Amino acid sequence: DSGVTQTPKHLITATGQRVTLRCSPRSGDLSVYWYQQSLDQGLQFLIQYYNGEERAKGNILERFSAQQFPDLHSELNLSSLELGDSALYFCASSPPSRTSGEQETQYFGPGTRLLVL
Amino acid sequence: AQSVTQPDIHITVSEGASLELRCNYSYGATPYLFWYVQSPGQGLQLLLKYFSGDTLVQGIKGFEAEFKRSQSSFNLRKPSVHWSDAAEYFCAVGASGGFKTIFGAGTRLFVKA
Repeated sequence: DSGVTQTPKHLITATGQRVTLRCSPRSGDLSVYWYQQSLDQGLQFLIQYYNGEERAKGNILERFSAQQFPDLHSELNLSSLELGDSALYFCASSPPSRTSGEQETQYFGPGTRLLVL
Repeated sequence: AQSVTQPDIHITVSEGASLELRCNYSYGATPYLFWYVQSPGQGLQLLLKYFSGDTLVQGIKGFEAEFKRSQSSFNLRKPSVHWSDAAEYFCAVGASGGFKTIFGAGTRLFVKA
């Protein structure tokens, strides 16, 4: 158990709908990352937040958005869902350590499996 | 730009045999290097990491990896594979700030009895 929690574990929805995925980082971690994992695309970095602020964007679609709240939990919002959005969505967190490399070490949650029908 | 390559999409080894999973990276400076393991339907679990110092690093579950700067490699090894090691293994290369961490495409390990 990494200490990162994600809810829900599974989500089934229809095309055109909107869903929200939730992530709670490990205690003390300030950074949250979101990834999408699909069979054809592999593990794709979507976005990173650090202490409530967006730090970096990866291959995140405009239909997707995220935020990190004052209590450091994060939500990933997926809208106008398409069949191709079906994937595993992972959240990871990393510590604020100043030790070189430690803040780059990511700890992953169990993921949310999204199925769009 | 940094990149990471895992040349083997899948590998099959016999239980009790040794294992080496290859990882090659491209990065201008000394990178932060990681190996993760993902069992079916699970999240990624950190096996080991290299930041600096001793180029041979020990991880959990009996795994080790060796950083070879001259070959730009960070191969994962295990002397004797167990059936429970069957999973997908990801190599990752990172830089300061975390958001530049790049994951390889993964190598799926099959273990035969």
